[in-house]
Amino acid sequence: DAGVTQSPTHLIKTRGQQVTLRCSPKSGHDTVSWYQQALGQGPQFIFQYYEEEERQRGNFPDRFSGHQFPNYSSELNVNALLLGDSALYLCASSLRRTGRTETQYFGPGTRLLVL
Amino acid sequence: AQKITQTQPGMFVQEKEAVTLDCTYDTSDQSYGLFWYKQPSSGEMIFLIYQGSYDEQNATEGRYSLNFQKARKSANLVISASQLGDSAMYFCAMSLTTSGTYKYIFGTGTRLKVLA
Repeated sequence: DAGVTQSPTHLIKTRGQQVTLRCSPKSGHDTVSWYQQALGQGPQFIFQYYEEEERQRGNFPDRFSGHQFPNYSSELNVNALLLGDSALYLCASSLRRTGRTETQYFGPGTRLLVL
Repeated sequence: AQKITQTQPGMFVQEKEAVTLDCTYDTSDQSYGLFWYKQPSSGEMIFLIYQGSYDEQNATEGRYSLNFQKARKSANLVISASQLGDSAMYFCAMSLTTSGTYKYIFGTGTRLKVLA
């Protein structure tokens, strides 16, 4: 049973560039959430995708956008990169259930460094 | 305000001893879930244990147990018989689903070091 996978594992970009991160959810899961984790901090919720639509969004600017594909995989795009965007980006998948708490399973993350 | 608080930035424990990692939460919702995750230096967040707000018994998963005290709004993680491989960051998290909206809130984490 494949877990959550993310690519690439590491990425180095310069300020102003754009980046795309990819995530494949755990088998059987239909919901993907993205988090940003700065060094020494807990993960911060960016947004969540379900049925190919953004369902919920955290306190992140429009430079952060995403997409979910029919096979439930997802992409996170960040435009006009800033130094402060350097972080570990985590993808989490879950199975959406009405009225029940969802357990999220995380991928290994993508470490983004902006120079 | 909805919030998770972990007051212990770092903890040490001797191998084979038990250790308790503290977590308090704040929400006015009646339905919520509480989670603990382990994050080794590799970065991956590993799900450890879950407790639902309506669960009357404390959750247990192998060497992990969650000491849930609803009135005090605490959800402490107890690791029994610590192993060297338990050295990692540990995050407490809360899941809220209100009127179709979704929130998953993490604490700032506790770094656990197991000593040989």
